[in-house]
Amino acid sequence: NAGVTQTPKFQVLKTGQSMTLQCAQDMNHNSMYWYRQDPGMGLRLIYYSASEGTTDKGEVPNGYNVSRLNKREFSLRLESAAPSQTSVYFCASSGGSAGDQPQHFGDGTRLSIL
Amino acid sequence: QKEVEQDPGPLSVPEGAIVSLNCTYSNSAFQYFMWYRQYSRKGPELLMYTYSSGNKEDGRFTAQVDKSSKYISLFIRDSQPSDSATYLCAGRYSSASKIIFGSGTRLSIRP
Repeated sequence: NAGVTQTPKFQVLKTGQSMTLQCAQDMNHNSMYWYRQDPGMGLRLIYYSASEGTTDKGEVPNGYNVSRLNKREFSLRLESAAPSQTSVYFCASSGGSAGDQPQHFGDGTRLSIL
Repeated sequence: QKEVEQDPGPLSVPEGAIVSLNCTYSNSAFQYFMWYRQYSRKGPELLMYTYSSGNKEDGRFTAQVDKSSKYISLFIRDSQPSDSATYLCAGRYSSASKIIFGSGTRLSIRP
């Protein structure tokens, strides 16, 4: 029972490089989310997708893009990585018609930008 | 001011003690409240999900919401070393709105 799977688990990038973080869920959930977690800041929403084919900005979207490839997959792209984007990134999904069920999280991608 | 505030800890208690974890929130429109547990190098996992004021119990865990004082609590009875983790409280305005998380409290249970 995989739940929410994120790849890669760790990555080191140089400033200016690009990268795509992958997320897939096998719970047939409509809604998917990308968060970043920084010390003392808690989890902050970057982007979310309420349903297949829709995406919306969250609290901290600058410097990121997302793609809801299909119902299972939701990717996060950094086009030109900056040291301020060093963080742990979590993907989550939730069921219900409007994401009104509790969110289930993956185990994160630890990203370091040099 | 953050919408959801938590003391970051760390909080260290002996095994078997009752643990009290607390949060405050600023927006009276919050209707739904959650507690997540996060082990080191893992994603958050949902512990408790409650609506409006009152208590909810699940095994050794009890969640309490006091909307009049905008205060959220999680009590852990008979604490175990396996309860050592970071605990995140969270709230949302409606069942489908974005979740606002606190920054977490680190808890350590000493054997």
